[in-house]
Amino acid sequence: DAGVTQSPTHLIKTRGQQVTLRCSPISGHKSVSWYQQVLGQGPQFIFQYYEKEERGRGNFPDRFSARQFPNYSSELNVNALLLGDSALYLCASSFGQTTGELFFGEGSRLTVL
Amino acid sequence: QKEVEQDPGPLSVPEGAIVSLNCTYSNSAFQYFMWYRQYSRKGPELLMYTYSSGNKEDGRFTAQVDKSSKYISLFIRDSQPSDSATYLCAMISGSQGNLIFGKGTKLSVKP
Repeated sequence: DAGVTQSPTHLIKTRGQQVTLRCSPISGHKSVSWYQQVLGQGPQFIFQYYEKEERGRGNFPDRFSARQFPNYSSELNVNALLLGDSALYLCASSFGQTTGELFFGEGSRLTVL
Repeated sequence: QKEVEQDPGPLSVPEGAIVSLNCTYSNSAFQYFMWYRQYSRKGPELLMYTYSSGNKEDGRFTAQVDKSSKYISLFIRDSQPSDSATYLCAMISGSQGNLIFGKGTKLSVKP
């Protein structure tokens, strides 16, 4: 069975640009979460979507937005990129909303120049 | 005080050693505790998932939770070079859907 898939795996942007990251959850999983992992730190929660509704949001500015589609895939958008947005963006899926058994994808590594 | 504290290491041990990794936390609402393993430039992989205080064993791995002390541990027996990775503790309360992670401890097992 396919795990969580993310695209693109690597991308380079310049300050001020916008980026869209994509995620496909494990088949049957209805919850998708996004995390940002800066080098040397643990992942930080950005968003959770369950059944296509936003169920949680971390301490990130409004430049960050996300959505979940009817097939449970998800997109994370970041506008007006800053140098500090350079990080590994991880998508995780789970069957339920609060089980904590998250299964992560390989991540999208964003570099902002 | 951060919600979850984890010594980032690095920790270097010889092959075959017993490894002990630890995290402390401050939020009494945390009910579920996890350990993830993350290889370089890869996503975290769920290793252990525990709910209550006590021990849970899976092969060479043992997860221990002490809710009274707000302290969790992961023990790795007969460590192997393939265990070299960053180990992240994570926890969640029953009312929220997001994990709170520690910084991760970088482990190196030398042949």
